Amino acid sequence: GNSVTQMEGPVTLSEEAFLTINCTYTATGYPSLFWYVQYPGEGLQLLLKATKADDKGSNKGFEATYRKETTSFHLEKGSVQVSDSAVYFCALRANTNAGKSTFGDGTTLTVKP
Amino acid sequence: SQTIHQWPATLVQPVGSPLSLECTVEGTSNPNLYWYRQAAGRGLQLLFYSVGIGQISSEVPQNLSASRPQDRQFILSSKKLLLSDSGFYLCAWSVGQSSYNSPLHFGNGTRLTVT
Repeated sequence: GNSVTQMEGPVTLSEEAFLTINCTYTATGYPSLFWYVQYPGEGLQLLLKATKADDKGSNKGFEATYRKETTSFHLEKGSVQVSDSAVYFCALRANTNAGKSTFGDGTTLTVKP
Repeated sequence: SQTIHQWPATLVQPVGSPLSLECTVEGTSNPNLYWYRQAAGRGLQLLFYSVGIGQISSEVPQNLSASRPQDRQFILSSKKLLLSDSGFYLCAWSVGQSSYNSPLHFGNGTRLTVT
């Protein structure tokens, strides 16, 4: 079956530090990959996505590249801000398993001023 | 543009009482609809999904049920709540079953506390 493994948290960084949150996946077929962000007390929001190998998704300074050879989709940001404090979820959706999404367990990021 | 509404935002219910959470989507037709539960500090657990009116698939056996009486309405119910039903419930929609390139769009969730 499909699965997503995320870097365990929590992650605590100082403002302007570099962020990497690792994500690897296992899937049959050719999945699309997503990063979602969840701010306290809210639902998840799409942060970025990539639908095929070597695609780079980017949004709000965050980037992730779909690496088929390493089955990875690591999230990066060059300089984090306090407002980036949230829970980040890596997810995939494939043309198998009735198109249902598979989520990682989430990584909590806290950015300190 | 598409929007998703979920209510209530918070709910405190006694054990054994019934539950009804409602979710509606606007601005799209024939969406896939989902109910997820998120326990405190945990990931997402898919409870139910629906690809059309009256079509419900259950992912986890439990005392919850779901219904889709209209194309853009999704309801989560229980006849008798358990303490273990406490959690953060999220409704989501996506475009069409075959459009697996499309993301999920989530509501703002319902915080349910069973006392």
